[in-house]
Amino acid sequence: QVQLVESGGGVVQPGGSLRLSCAASGFTFRTFGMHWVRQAPGKGLEWVTLISSDETNIKLADSVKGRFTVSRDNSKNALYLHMNSLRPEDTAIYYCARELRSSSSSGTWGYWGQGVLVSVSS
Amino acid sequence: QSALTQPASVSGSPGQSITISCTGTSSDVGGYNYVSWYQQHPGKAPKLMLYDVNNRPSGVSYRFSGSKSGNTASLIISGLQTEDEADYYCASYTSTSTRWVFGGGTRLTVL
Repeated sequence: QVQLVESGGGVVQPGGSLRLSCAASGFTFRTFGMHWVRQAPGKGLEWVTLISSDETNIKLADSVKGRFTVSRDNSKNALYLHMNSLRPEDTAIYYCARELRSSSSSGTWGYWGQGVLVSVSS
Repeated sequence: QSALTQPASVSGSPGQSITISCTGTSSDVGGYNYVSWYQQHPGKAPKLMLYDVNNRPSGVSYRFSGSKSGNTASLIISGLQTEDEADYYCASYTSTSTRWVFGGGTRLTVL
């Protein structure tokens, strides 16, 4: 079965950096686009970034452009979110999510991890 | 403020039907059929319930259906059950630089 397990969250000071990881299993990772979606405490969902299966298509939300980057290692079935210049408003649960269909970048999030909490506070 | 507008809350009794609306613009909901709906129970990850406006993923009950008219998409839940009580979010592809936008979420209470 499809499993997505995030790690790397924690408490970081404003201006700091953090790298989130998402370990994927139960499917052919290299053939699926992957996303990060976040949810501030008690708030709604916000799309953060997409990386296509072959890494040729990478998109970032305006709110994180210039500060966050996304990468993947298809040999390790792993997705990463590199977060720099963190702000208090980046405090959220970060979910990695897989496209429903292979070779797609439609933003249909068919599978989600359990999420990892990032807290930006001094 | 979310890009897509949903009612904050809806309620219904077991067995009834409810509709949750999701209103956007011609740049998102009205311009593309990439509208999806997600169910989220407290403390849990979201779950895909509908995609491409009215398609159900494997394993999702037939009681969930969707439609779209102009800039507004709708999620219809028929035969309400207590386990349907959750938050529901719509999402859409957008031609703006944001790429994908969500609604603010609707809390469904099954009375």
